[in-house]
Amino acid sequence: GQQLNQSPQSMFIQEGEDVSMNCTSSSIFNTWLWYKQDPGEGPVLLIALYKAGELTSNGRLTAQFGITRKDSFLNISASIPSDVGIYFCAGEPGATSGTYKYIFGTGTRLKVLA
Amino acid sequence: DTGVSQNPRHKITKRGQNVTFRCDPISEHNRLYWYRQTLGQGPEFLTYFQNEAQLEKSRLLSDRFSAERPKGSFSTLEIQRTEQGDSAMYLCASRPPGARSPLHFGNGTRLTVT
Repeated sequence: GQQLNQSPQSMFIQEGEDVSMNCTSSSIFNTWLWYKQDPGEGPVLLIALYKAGELTSNGRLTAQFGITRKDSFLNISASIPSDVGIYFCAGEPGATSGTYKYIFGTGTRLKVLA
Repeated sequence: DTGVSQNPRHKITKRGQNVTFRCDPISEHNRLYWYRQTLGQGPEFLTYFQNEAQLEKSRLLSDRFSAERPKGSFSTLEIQRTEQGDSAMYLCASRPPGARSPLHFGNGTRLTVT
């Protein structure tokens, strides 16, 4: 099935460092979501973005809906060990294409070294 | 606050057997989605319902797969004549009414076909 491109694929960082990851699509989306998934669990919603250019924060997390509507970015500031996990983006074309399913990215695996 | 509930959490079956999974969405959510996730990949869309109507199905959903949502509440996903390639995490998500709203996931059912 179709998946969005996420970058980087994985990253090791030191505790306290900031993290940036992004997600790109070849088509336009109306909604972007960011999730975190721990092993053996379902994805947990972090941030939802509904408007091009929108910048939204949730604690130490900040996400942006790209102006072109084909990309999105997630930043984590001052990382802590519990930030470890897999981060997924998801985009929905919405009314522009007549489908209301979310397409997910390939994931960014984050490991934080204490 | 009751989230999305999936049962069973784990299922081990022999090749050729039929299996059925259940999903109970968040009560006020009218839309319900099924995704499949294999190791190292993001969730892949299978199908979704709005109330009891199945509105979209992925090509990933072969004729051995069938999903139902008979009364617009809980949903079942059945796989007939299971194959080893069906081994995956099957995730259910629900979504409230409205064009721009996020998915809320359950913790999934891990299927292992031996």
